[in-house]
Amino acid sequence: QKEVEQNSGPLSVPEGAIASLNCTYSDRGSQSFFWYRQYSGKSPELIMFIYSNGDKEDGRFTAQLNKASQYVSLLIRDSQPSDSATYLCAVSPPGNFGNEKLTFGTGTRLTIIP
Amino acid sequence: DGGITQSPKYLFRKEGQNVTLSCEQNLNHDAMYWYRQDPGQGLRLIYYSQIVNDFQKGDIAEGYSVSREKKESFPLTVTSAQKNPTAFYLCASSASRGNEKLFFGSGTQLSVL
Repeated sequence: QKEVEQNSGPLSVPEGAIASLNCTYSDRGSQSFFWYRQYSGKSPELIMFIYSNGDKEDGRFTAQLNKASQYVSLLIRDSQPSDSATYLCAVSPPGNFGNEKLTFGTGTRLTIIP
Repeated sequence: DGGITQSPKYLFRKEGQNVTLSCEQNLNHDAMYWYRQDPGQGLRLIYYSQIVNDFQKGDIAEGYSVSREKKESFPLTVTSAQKNPTAFYLCASSASRGNEKLFFGSGTQLSVL
């Protein structure tokens, strides 16, 4: 059973600080990694994806991938109250060319404290 | 505006009843998906469709059925065989099977009376 693990939280971070969200996965050959943000009672929306080892930056968000250690993380700089949400990690297995094989983690609930 | 429309937002099912959740998209996407989300759990795939008149079972298809008669529409029926239907149901689409960015609808919360 392929697994994607996330700390459910809640993770509380002061406004303006860096929020760090982590995700580990069990399938060593996984090749595509996604972070979705989900506000309470709403649908998920994609905020970042990463395919290669290293860092990928987009505005205040940075995704970090370490395939050797099988983890992917999301950093949110200058955290804002509007960043308070649940963050879902999703992983695509090797050789997959579609979304039907995505495995989602249970999500980490992030709260930014003003 | 382009997007995915799910209806109804809330739905109640009586014992032994079949109910149908609607999902319509005007994004001209080929692939559509149904996910179930339970509290404290990740999204789990119920069914998916890559083209019209074709669909495949996901990880938890038992007790559900779908149809894909039109590109824009992918309704999900929760049958009486689904013994634990209470959950948040999300419809999603992607431009093609190989395009991994999912667009989600606003969801339907299904509860049992």
